[in-house]
Amino acid sequence: KAGVTQTPRYLIKTRGQQVTLSCSPISGHRSVSWYQQTPGQGLQFLFEYFSETQRNKGNFPGRFSGRQFSNSRSEMNVSTLELGDSALYLCASSLRQGPGELFFGEGSRLTVL
Amino acid sequence: DQQVKQNSPSLSVQEGRISILNCDYTNSMFDYFLWYKKYPAEGPTFLISISSIKDKNEDGRFTVFLNKSAKHLSLHIVPSQPGDSAVYFCAASPRAQKLVFGQGTRLTINP
Repeated sequence: KAGVTQTPRYLIKTRGQQVTLSCSPISGHRSVSWYQQTPGQGLQFLFEYFSETQRNKGNFPGRFSGRQFSNSRSEMNVSTLELGDSALYLCASSLRQGPGELFFGEGSRLTVL
Repeated sequence: DQQVKQNSPSLSVQEGRISILNCDYTNSMFDYFLWYKKYPAEGPTFLISISSIKDKNEDGRFTVFLNKSAKHLSLHIVPSQPGDSAVYFCAASPRAQKLVFGQGTRLTINP
């Protein structure tokens, strides 16, 4: 079955702009989580959505937001981009909310100039 | 605060020998632990997990050990193969909560 699909794979933005990233989970998976990966910081949890509701949220500013649609697809948005937002943004899906095995997409590499 | 720490950013091991990757955690509420492996330009893939009711879990060449009193987790790979060269992340979670990841350890297997 198809894995987690993230689009776009690469994008370049300038400071002050906003960006929207998309994630299609594995068919049947209802939970989608977003992580930010930067060098030396590992994977930092952004938020988790289950059944269109945000269930958990990490320690990121309000510029980072997300949503989940009825088909479980998810989007995350970053507004007023800063240089420090340059990172690999990973989406992961799972059957259930909470802990357990996560299936990751290949990520969206964002560069902010 | 870093609740899950991988203190070795990199590790180099000779092919055929044992690779040992370490992970420490601070939150005593963590009860489920996982290891993920990540190749460049790919998302992390699940490798092996262990719950807090066990102290060892084995899957082929991979074994995870959990020492709850020391709040320490380790991944053993034996024998190490060139294809094992990747970044390894340990992750932990308390019941029904999000996974918390470590910073990762880059493992290089030398022929």
